[in-house]
Amino acid sequence: EVKLVQSGEGSAQAGGSLRLTCAASGFILNNYGLNWVRQAPGKGLEWIAYISSSGNTIYYDDSVQGRFTISRDNAGSTLYLEMNRLRVEDTAVYYCGSPSVGRFLYDYWGQGSLVTVSS
Amino acid sequence: IVLTQSPGTLSVSPGEKVTLSCRASQSVSGDYLAWFQQKRGQVPRLLIYAASNRATGIPDRFSGSGSGTDFSLTISRLEPEDFAVYYCQQYGSAPSFSFGLGTRLE
Repeated sequence: EVKLVQSGEGSAQAGGSLRLTCAASGFILNNYGLNWVRQAPGKGLEWIAYISSSGNTIYYDDSVQGRFTISRDNAGSTLYLEMNRLRVEDTAVYYCGSPSVGRFLYDYWGQGSLVTVSS
Repeated sequence: IVLTQSPGTLSVSPGEKVTLSCRASQSVSGDYLAWFQQKRGQVPRLLIYAASNRATGIPDRFSGSGSGTDFSLTISRLEPEDFAVYYCQQYGSAPSFSFGLGTRLE
């Protein structure tokens, strides 16, 4: 069974840091590009970061560029999101998942991690 | 690329056929356009990838079409469980794999 299990959710003050982890089981993580997507309370889905299967290609949304870092440990089948200089508007549920290989997307998601940033 | 979904909300009844629109501000490379369904408090569910390919386990009442800048999701006969928010996402044109703002079926 394919599973993506997230950890690291929590609260931080504005300007602080948090790290989210997404541990994969049941599939070979290093074959797939992976994403982080977030959803602020009552709002829509917002894509924030992508990392290729090798880790050599990384993209960020402008809203997190320079503050967040996506990385992966293929040997450990784990995806990370390091979040620095947090802002109140980063408050959201964060999802890892939506693995891709070229045009193919797969319906695997973590359970979501609530990140709350207070002023 | 900015994805514009219309309408924002659609009031429909079970059994009806509905078509949701997703228009891109630039051509989506490879027609790498996906549709997701999300119900309140749940994780998104992939319905369609690469514009017209149903994801595993998705009923055939869901179909996707389009290319370039104009895409659509059609639900041929609405079931009660289909009332949700639907998002399109482009994942072909880097560096931003943006979502649309969503269409709510009520």
